[in-house]
Amino acid sequence: EVQLLVSGGGLVQPGGSLRLSCAVSGFTFSNYAMSWFRQAPGKGLEWVSGINGDGGRTFYADSVKGRFTISRDNSKNTLYLQMNILRAEDTAVYSCARWMDSGRASDIWGQGTMVTVSS
Amino acid sequence: DIVMTQTPLSSPVTLGQPASISCRSSQSLVDSDGNTYLSWLQRRPGQPPRLLIYKISNRFSGVPDRFSGSGAGTEFTLKISRVEAEDVGIYYCMQATQFPRTFGQGTKVEI
Repeated sequence: EVQLLVSGGGLVQPGGSLRLSCAVSGFTFSNYAMSWFRQAPGKGLEWVSGINGDGGRTFYADSVKGRFTISRDNSKNTLYLQMNILRAEDTAVYSCARWMDSGRASDIWGQGTMVTVSS
Repeated sequence: DIVMTQTPLSSPVTLGQPASISCRSSQSLVDSDGNTYLSWLQRRPGQPPRLLIYKISNRFSGVPDRFSGSGAGTEFTLKISRVEAEDVGIYYCMQATQFPRTFGQGTKVEI
C-alpha cells in the first residue's frame, strides 16, 4: 500500500524555522518527483515546491523562494521541506504528494500537517 | 502566473443527476510538447486530495467512469454523469503547463 506520512508541523513564531518530513512507502521513491502543497485556513490549494527523482532539480513558488528548501533522501525514502523566516501568511496545512511526470499531476497525496506561525 | 477560474463556486446537486464544473485559464495550457496539463482533483471532507483526471480527459486509476473531463486551450469541464452521495466535496482544477502550478478556487459540490 502506498503511504505518505507527513510530520514536523506545529506552532512557531514569526521569523522562526520548521522542517517538515514526508516518509513514503509502497513505491520506489527515487523513481518519482515529489511536491509540497499547502492550504491556508479557508483558502484553496497552493503549490509550494517540487523536486525531481534524484534531487537535482528543485522548483519553488515565488511566495517561498529564498526561504523554503525542498530536499530528499532517497536512502531513507523521505522528502523534506525546510521552512525558514516563517511569516503569518505561511500558516497552512502542508501536504506532500507524489508527482506523476507523464501526466504532470500529483497522483498520491498524504495527510497534511498544520503549521501555525503566530506570536 | 496562470490564473485558473472555476465556475460555479458552489453547486447544489441532486443524487442521480448530472453535474458540471467549468475551469478557465488566463492563457492557453497547451505545452510546447503538444500536451495540455490540466488535471482535476477531489477533496472529500477530512481526506487528502484525490486525483480524478489528468491531461484534460484521462481518468486516473480507480476513478469511476461517471467522472469525465473535456476541453481544450483555455476552457475545461469536469462532468459527473450521475452524482452519488460520496461525490460530495470540493473539486479543484490545476494547471501544470507552467511554473508555478496553479489551482482554481475550488467548487463545493453538495447534495
